[in-house]
Amino acid sequence: QKEVEQNSGPLSVPEGAIASLNCTYSDRGSQSFFWYRQYSGKSPELIMFIYSNGDKEDGRFTAQLNKASQYVSLLIRDSQPSDSATYLCAVIVTGATNKLIFGTGTLLAVQP
Amino acid sequence: EAGVVQSPRYKIIEKKQPVAFWCNPISGHNTLYWYLQNLGQGPELLIRYENEEAVDDSQLPKDRFSAERLKGVDSTLKIQPAELGDSAVYLCASSLGLAGFTDTQYFGPGTRLTVL
Repeated sequence: QKEVEQNSGPLSVPEGAIASLNCTYSDRGSQSFFWYRQYSGKSPELIMFIYSNGDKEDGRFTAQLNKASQYVSLLIRDSQPSDSATYLCAVIVTGATNKLIFGTGTLLAVQP
Repeated sequence: EAGVVQSPRYKIIEKKQPVAFWCNPISGHNTLYWYLQNLGQGPELLIRYENEEAVDDSQLPKDRFSAERLKGVDSTLKIQPAELGDSAVYLCASSLGLAGFTDTQYFGPGTRLTVL
């Protein structure tokens, strides 16, 4: 079982809709969860991180964490074509301070 | 504030040749990381430095890969000799090195290596 799993997509949503990106992780003791956005041919760019159960909002982005279900998600409201990118979920695993384990990413395509 | 700087951005070499990548982290960031990213995959950690000390190099193929961070700032990653399977993007990242689990990593633009 991979430590961090994401659906590779592509996830296609119409402009203005809510995009929901999901991630599950295997290490129950994981503490911190990060979402990075990566445009084609570019490097990962941090969107937000979360480490408490519940929701964390930043502009059009909301991260949701459910440690009991080992599940973290990213919602993008009012999706724009410029949001089209690969979204990488990353987890800091137990006992490995600052070691990020990345999922394979979900490709999001926002249709105008 | 300047971000993480990497060079070169692209490199094409023939197999068995050596290659080196350079990284300058964000000013004040004590922790530096080298990652490898294959197409369609997430980045995978090769080595992590705290200041000039390599604290996690368990994923670095030491028979052909080496890295250094002599003065605790810039870092160089070297491959000698390169193999076809080394074709990938090599990413450098840096962070403040905060204790606990809230330390945030920022990535450079990467070096795309093609081995022919």
